[in-house]
Amino acid sequence: SAVISQKPSRDICQRGTSLTIQCQVDSQVTMMFWYRQQPGQSLTLIATANQGSEATYESGFVIDKFPISRPNLTFSTLTVSNLSPEDSSIYLCSVKQERHYGYTFGSGTRLTVV
Amino acid sequence: GQNIDQPTEMTATEGAIVQINCTYQTSGFNGLFWYQQHAGEAPTFLSYNVLDGLEEKGRFSSFLSRSKGYSYLLLKELQMKDSASYLCAVKLLSNDYKLSFGAGTTVTVRA
Repeated sequence: SAVISQKPSRDICQRGTSLTIQCQVDSQVTMMFWYRQQPGQSLTLIATANQGSEATYESGFVIDKFPISRPNLTFSTLTVSNLSPEDSSIYLCSVKQERHYGYTFGSGTRLTVV
Repeated sequence: GQNIDQPTEMTATEGAIVQINCTYQTSGFNGLFWYQQHAGEAPTFLSYNVLDGLEEKGRFSSFLSRSKGYSYLLLKELQMKDSASYLCAVKLLSNDYKLSFGAGTTVTVRA
């Protein structure tokens, strides 16, 4: 199965700044997703990262706040912009396995906004 | 919106059996996943059911009833390392690979 390297694993950021999270996959994958996991809660899908085109965002999430890049089939970034304490959360990327029904997750980025 | 319900917490003794229920009311259904997530770590795949019935994989089994919108994950011979959060997730459409997650069930295994 695909292996995902997600960076950074954690960060503490000031209000009003931005954080960019990277996910590198060790094989080409078609479907890549970004999730948010707020403390004590389950995963909420932010967007589907589409290779070579704009990401598809879920209700409640907008491109200006969560810009996503997907330049190729092995890499994606999620930026969380104009940070506020409410953005403190864990952010995870995930890929749909090729030729298999399963999904693999990155190890997550724990963001704290102060 | 999608509705996927799981109990919040469960506690069991080492060596015992625990059953985690998941009920769903979703706009579509194309399979149900169970994931295990230890604190501070990524979710890891446990099982996948798309047809009715029981899937057994070692100490873990998962059951699905599509007509009832119901699944359960059965953990047998509990070990301390099974203390984790267990997430139920539904794949909504056959041509759309998004997953919708329940809130997760935290299982605590006591000695």
